[in-house]
Order: sequence, then C-alpha cells, then structure tokens
Amino acid sequence: ETGVTQTPRHLVMGMTNKKSLKCEQHLGHNAMYWYKQSAKKPLELMFVYNFKEQTENNSVPSRFSPECPNSSHLFLHLHTLQPEDSALYLCASSGTRRQETQYFGPGTRLLVL
Amino acid sequence: AQKITQTQPGMFVQEKEAVTLDCTYDTSDPSYGLFWYKQPSSGEMIFLIYQGSYDQQNATEGRYSLNFQKARKSANLVISASQLGDSAMYFCAMREGPSGTYKYIFGTGTRLKVLA
Repeated sequence: ETGVTQTPRHLVMGMTNKKSLKCEQHLGHNAMYWYKQSAKKPLELMFVYNFKEQTENNSVPSRFSPECPNSSHLFLHLHTLQPEDSALYLCASSGTRRQETQYFGPGTRLLVL
Repeated sequence: AQKITQTQPGMFVQEKEAVTLDCTYDTSDPSYGLFWYKQPSSGEMIFLIYQGSYDQQNATEGRYSLNFQKARKSANLVISASQLGDSAMYFCAMREGPSGTYKYIFGTGTRLKVLA
C-alpha cells in the first residue's frame, strides 16, 4: 500500500456545495500538511499539523477548514468555495528527524464551478 | 523576497545526456535541508534527493546528484544519462526552522523535456 493516500482523486463541486478531502498516511509520521498547487504558482502551504495540533495556518480563508483526528488522518473540509479555489490539493507527511523528507499523496484535482 | 529561486522555467535535454537544474536559496537559519522533487503530469510529488546544511559531501541517489555550494547558496540538481521518463516538473525545496515547527518552502519549478 502506498505511503500517503488521498481521496477523492478528482472532485467537481458547485460554489454552494460542502465536500471534504481525505488524506491518510501509513508511514508513522507525526506531521501532516495541506498544500494548494495552482497553475503557474509555487506550491502554497495551507496548514500544518504536528502530533494532531495545528502549528501553521498560512492565512487560509475560512471556507477551508482542516481537521486532524489522529496522526494518520487529515481532512480538508470545503464549503462555499470560489472558482479561483480550483487547483490540485496535495497532502504530505513527514517525520521529525532533520533529514526526513515530506512524502506526498497523489493529490485531489478540484474544480469549482 | 523569494526564499527558493529556480530561474529556468523550462529546459530541454537530449536523451542520454546530463542536465543541470538550478536552485538558489536564502535563509539565515544555520540548520536547514534542501530537497528536490519530481512531479510528473499525474500530479504526485516524488522525492528525489536530500542535502543537509551540515553535510560535507554532495548527495547522490542513482542518476541524481546535488551540487551543493553553501557559500553561494545554491543546490543544483544534476541528472545524468537522461531518460524519456525524466520529463516532468522539478521542484527545489528548503526546510527550515526547529523540529516540530518545520517549514517547507518550494520554488516555482522547472519543466524538463527529454528529447528522443
């Protein structure tokens, strides 16, 4: 089984819908991350959780709501999104040793109509 | 100011030749890590290679090597013997900050196209 999984892989939603993205890691990591990747923009860090506690919120609009019930699972709840929120949303996890890299999931391609 | 700079938006390389992708960084943290990732069109970010700020030797992983020049704050990726499957976006990233509050900062990426 791959280290970091994300569901769904593709999502189309209207601006009034409520949906959730799910991320699960099987690597025993204690840190999990949400990133947004839009065309022609650097990867944007959205949220960071360390040991289930949120340690970073990078000025993300409140229509994005993260949830981390345990160190293996991370959710991103979406509501009343805008078309400019259409992007690839990537989840990642990492350990706490300095040389450890982040491991990424396959991403969810989101289209907001 | 950009903390990670990749100045090559796109690169072409002939199959079986070597190619260098440039990356410069900016940090005042004495302890940091540098990473390179590959992102194929499928979207998944694949870890390639890591270099720690205190590492004395340049990192190597198979056909990938990292040309780390600390004084110049550069961490260029060298891909030897390019293959068609190497065509992808390549991102340089830096991790800084103390353990438990790590921040990862990514560059804008370089799109590499390997020609047959």
